[in-house]
Amino acid sequence: SQELEQSPQSLIVQEGKNLTINCTSSKTLYGLYWYKQKYGEGLIFLMMLQKGGEEKSHEKITAKLDEKKQQSSLHITASQPSHAGIYLCGADRGYSSASKIIFGSGTRLSIRP
Amino acid sequence: EPEVTQTPSHQVTQMGQEVILRCVPISNHLYFYWYRQILGQKVEFLVSFYNNEISEKSEIFDDQFSVERPDGSNFTLKIRSTKLEDSAMYFCASTSTETQYFGPGTRLLVL
Repeated sequence: SQELEQSPQSLIVQEGKNLTINCTSSKTLYGLYWYKQKYGEGLIFLMMLQKGGEEKSHEKITAKLDEKKQQSSLHITASQPSHAGIYLCGADRGYSSASKIIFGSGTRLSIRP
Repeated sequence: EPEVTQTPSHQVTQMGQEVILRCVPISNHLYFYWYRQILGQKVEFLVSFYNNEISEKSEIFDDQFSVERPDGSNFTLKIRSTKLEDSAMYFCASTSTETQYFGPGTRLLVL
């Protein structure tokens, strides 16, 4: 079965600094998702990547999928307190539109003022 | 912006009792899911539902669990006889193509 490893498990960053979170798969990814979860709340969709080498940005968050489609990174530029939360990567098998998402353990991000 | 909604936000129940968790998916979506997250653990897939039947279910989704779409808008998860280990956050999700949009979750506590 597909396993997703996220690193680091937790991260404390000074406000204004950049940071990167990584997600590595044991198998080739079909669809790679990034979600953000505030503590004890729901999952907020950030981005989905499908093609090798693909990169997407939304505001100050950029996600990339490597050419081999086994690793993704999420980069936040000039971090703000609003970026604090748990970042989850997830992957689907791509067999159909109903494919389940397998999630990583998450990276807990704290922003220090 | 359309969103997935879930009720109740919190539910406390006694072990052995039945609970029904409710979800209203985004209106034009066709695929529906339940996931759960035990405190401090990963978000885990429970079941997917399409065209009024289960598409896939995980090992967790045993005979104590059932799902239903009783009308054109609601999607429910029923746990027939709750156990202590069913205490978790339960998330509903829906999609029309690929991206799954999640609801805010129902926090279930079984005492």
